Amino acid sequence: AQSVTQLDSHVSVSEGTPVLLRCNYSSSYSPSLFWYVQHPNKGLQLLLKYTSAATLVKGINGFEAEFKKSETSFHLTKPSAHMSDAAEYFCVVSVRSGNTGKLIFGQGTTLQVKP
Amino acid sequence: DSGVTQTPKHLITATGQRVTLRCSPRSGDLSVYWYQQSLDQGLQFLIQYYNGEERAKGNILERFSAQQFPDLHSELNLSSLELGDSALYFCASSAVSGGGNEQFFGPGTRLTVL
Repeated sequence: AQSVTQLDSHVSVSEGTPVLLRCNYSSSYSPSLFWYVQHPNKGLQLLLKYTSAATLVKGINGFEAEFKKSETSFHLTKPSAHMSDAAEYFCVVSVRSGNTGKLIFGQGTTLQVKP
Repeated sequence: DSGVTQTPKHLITATGQRVTLRCSPRSGDLSVYWYQQSLDQGLQFLIQYYNGEERAKGNILERFSAQQFPDLHSELNLSSLELGDSALYFCASSAVSGGGNEQFFGPGTRLTVL
């Protein structure tokens, strides 16, 4: 079975400081991992994905994540937060080799960016 | 804009009623997924269709059903509605069915059951 744990329900940073959103996963098979972002009253947008290539994945808007198999982690980082980054972030897992693409979502982390 | 459309955006109805949510996938995508987002359960996978056939089921109640039509649009039918069914319902699509593929999400339908 697959599961995702987002270690922080709420993270608050100041504009211009680094962002770290933590995610641990559990998967019986080789996982695919994603980070999605949801702005207020909006749908979900893909930030980045890991499938099996480079362990350091670069996404949109300056975000990146590193897949660490030994730690079963896929933390999301950004060097410098912008006010527009304030949103809900979801770490997501799916089974790479499965014939269904269903996504398993973490509980989400709310990112607050203070001026 | 993801290219996935959902109608209606908002739906307010009463307990015991039946509603239908509609989703049009991105052009060329064969797979459609339905998810429910609620405060207590978070985002949960409901059901997946691929090229008209059911491919996977998640935590979907028996009162809920879905189908995908030959033109690839999908409908999610919710019946005998309860207060707890109030949630945001998302549709997503992908080109193929397998794991690891990016899914593109629609803006969602917010259902309020009074």
